Order: sequence, then structure tokens, then C-alpha cells
Amino acid sequence: GAVVSQHPSWVICKSGTSVKIECRSLDFQATTMFWYRQFPKQSLMLMATSNEGSKATYEQGVEKDKFLINHASLTLSTLTVTSAHPEDSSFYICSATIGETQYFGPGTRLLVL
Amino acid sequence: AQTVTQSQPEMSVQEAETVTLSCTYDTSESDYYLFWYKQPPSRQMILVIRQEAYKQQNATENRFSVNFQKAAKSFSLKISDSQLGDAAMYFCAYRSDWDDKIIFGKGTRLHILP
Repeated sequence: GAVVSQHPSWVICKSGTSVKIECRSLDFQATTMFWYRQFPKQSLMLMATSNEGSKATYEQGVEKDKFLINHASLTLSTLTVTSAHPEDSSFYICSATIGETQYFGPGTRLLVL
Repeated sequence: AQTVTQSQPEMSVQEAETVTLSCTYDTSESDYYLFWYKQPPSRQMILVIRQEAYKQQNATENRFSVNFQKAAKSFSLKISDSQLGDAAMYFCAYRSDWDDKIIFGKGTRLHILP
């Protein structure tokens, strides 16, 4: 149980375009999901908390207009990187919570050219 | 604010041997949860073990066990009979009882020597 999927696993896009990443809880409902960003050889950096049916809560320093989060259902949260630039290239990971434990998706590698 | 410290950026252990990864944390709370996550080269974060602070008994999951010292705010992970598949980055993490957010340490990269 507690499987979280992400799609796509890899995306390459041109600078200025927008990219949408989906995060799904496959076998459970998640009222709360989290979005992280991870740079090479570093720990996970929390970007935002996604709550079903309400606006996401962004961490300090994260541009909410840049990283749009929508949690439309109890099993799906999406992260849209708008007007992507090369500095947005990174590894993005989502997680969903059961009780006190977060279960993570496999991550999405984004490369902006 | 809570912090999680992993003082060993890298460690190596011979296959079949035992290794202990260190983690300390700082909090003023009495109720919280502690976790160890593993991130292999695939970069998929995998839950290794979980400890509730109110439980005195150390958590165990097969070859993985923890030494939870609440007063010392220490939460080390012991891996017995190390296997090649244990090679990964290991993250210690803290979660408050009242907040869903997890605070991660910087990680320890574990190498398994054949």
C-alpha cells in the first residue's frame, strides 16, 4: 500500500514554456500533499503544502505565481512550473501523507533548455 | 525551530558488516515522530523506519533498527548484515505532532564495499 506516482518522470522543455507535473496517491486518499525540490547531492527542500479543496501554502522564498499548485481531488495534486527558465531545472518530488508518515513519489526530472 | 543534524556526510561499510548512522535533533516539543528515509540512485525516497517519541521501545524493521535516546535527542540507525542494495543516501527526519511538515537532515551517503 501507500503508493504515490508522479508523471512525467522526465521532461525537457524550452525556456519560456510551462510544464505540469502530476502527483497521484494510487491506493489511498490524501487530503495533504507536499511538493519538494532537490538539487544534486542535497537534501529535499519543501516548496509548498497542497491541501485538497483549498489554496496551497508556500514556503518562504518560493514564488507562488511561478509554481502553481492545484489539489483538485483527494488523489491528485499538480505542480505547474510557469514560464520555465534554466534555473528551474531540478528534481521535483511529491509526497502524500497517511497519518504521520509521508510517502514519496518517484520524482520528476525537469530540464529547461 | 526544530533542526535535524547528520554529522556524517559519507560512510562506508563492508558487505555483511554492521553500520550505524548518526542523527541528532533539536526540539522543545515532547511529542513528535522520527524517520529514516533511504534514497537509492533511482532517487525514490523509501521509508526505512519510523519511531514515535512517546514509545520507549526502539523500532525495528528486519535488518534495520534504531537507537532512540529521547533525553539526548539522538536517533541513530543501525543496519545489520549490510547488503549491496543498502547503498544509498539516508535521510533522518523529524515531524512534530501538530504539523504535517517533515524536517530533513542533510543526509549520509552510505557505500557498501563488496
